[in-house]
Amino acid sequence: AQSVTQLDSQVPVFEEAPVELRCNYSSSVSVYLFWYVQYPNQGLQLLLKYLSGSTLVESINGFEAEFNKSQTSFHLRKPSVHISDTAEYFCAVRLADSGGGADGLTFGKGTHLIIQP
Amino acid sequence: DSGVTQTPKHLITATGQRVTLRCSPRSGDLSVYWYQQSLDQGLQFLIQYYNGEERAKGNILERFSAQQFPDLHSELNLSSLELGDSALYFCASSPGTSGAGTQYFGPGTRLTVL
Repeated sequence: AQSVTQLDSQVPVFEEAPVELRCNYSSSVSVYLFWYVQYPNQGLQLLLKYLSGSTLVESINGFEAEFNKSQTSFHLRKPSVHISDTAEYFCAVRLADSGGGADGLTFGKGTHLIIQP
Repeated sequence: DSGVTQTPKHLITATGQRVTLRCSPRSGDLSVYWYQQSLDQGLQFLIQYYNGEERAKGNILERFSAQQFPDLHSELNLSSLELGDSALYFCASSPGTSGAGTQYFGPGTRLTVL
């Protein structure tokens, strides 16, 4: 079974400062890695995902995440945050294809990013 | 707007009752997933359907059941409700069953059991 650990339940940061949200996973088989964002009173939206290839993946709104296989991590970073980035961020894994795709996402507990003016 | 719709938005009911939550996937998506989000358990995968057939089960209680209809909409049935079933229930959809595929989430149904 897979598991995901998000080490920080809350991360306060000042506007325009850099931020890193940490995510570690555990799995005995290959997984795909995802970051989802949940704005207040909304559903989850995909931010970015790592499937294979380059270990650095980027989103359209300035976030990036780096897959580190040796450390089983997939930390999310942004060099300069904005008030509108205030949200809950979830790291998730899913089993890499093995002829099935018969499972759901396994989520971490989430990190609440609080942007202070 | 993800294109996934869920009804109702809010539901308040009493212990012991039964409720049905409805989900319409994005146009063309064949897979539907149900998730439960609660304060103590976080986000948990419940069940997946693909083109009308049950595909995978997660942490779904025996009191809960789901189905996917020929028009691909799905319903999650929760029975003998307990206080601990109070949560946000999300539906998500994806085109197929690939693990690499993006799951698109609906806005959720907030269930309150009194």
